[in-house]
Amino acid sequence: NAGVTQTPKFRILKIGQSMTLQCTQDMNHNYMYWYRQDPGMGLKLIYYSVGAGITDKGEVPNGYNVSRSTTEDFPLRLELAAPSQTSVYFCASSYGIVRTNEKLFFGSGTQLSVL
Amino acid sequence: GQQVMQIPQYQHVQEGEDFTTYCNSSTTLSNIQWYKQRPGGHPVFLIQLVKSGEVKKQKRLTFQFGEAKKNSSLHITATQTTDVGTYFCAPSFSGGYNKLIFGAGTRLAVHP
Repeated sequence: NAGVTQTPKFRILKIGQSMTLQCTQDMNHNYMYWYRQDPGMGLKLIYYSVGAGITDKGEVPNGYNVSRSTTEDFPLRLELAAPSQTSVYFCASSYGIVRTNEKLFFGSGTQLSVL
Repeated sequence: GQQVMQIPQYQHVQEGEDFTTYCNSSTTLSNIQWYKQRPGGHPVFLIQLVKSGEVKKQKRLTFQFGEAKKNSSLHITATQTTDVGTYFCAPSFSGGYNKLIFGAGTRLAVHP
């Protein structure tokens, strides 16, 4: 049981480039989330999904896009990378909504630098 | 938007000393979760508190949820070097929200 898997682990982008951060989970979880964590800071919610085909914005969605075509996968797309997007990105999942006592399982993160 | 204040931002203690971090909200919470992130790692779930006034213990860790469900605390007794990391509270707010917002975290350093 792999849990939540993120790829790549590290990436360096040039300003204006695009890339997709991959996230997949094998726990049959309905809910998936993308967070970013700037150095020495807390986690900010970018986007989340409550099921295949359903996504919604979090605290800091600008500059990002997501899709959820399957239960397992929740990729995060950066269209025009900017230095302000330098961060560690964490994907997480939960079986149900967190208001009903469901905890989050996190992936190991993707460290992204935009230069 | 809805948010919480987590204090202190940083604390360093001598091994064996106690440590407490607080999470305060201006609005009533549905529940609150606590996570720990080791340096270079990812957040790991510790516990969830749901009931008003709830107290839960995990070995040297004691978690409390306020009577008004607006604040919470995590207390570590006799810290060890293995307690090093950042502790985050993650409240869920009443009102139909499905997302989990995290506090800024308290970074704990333990000196042997």
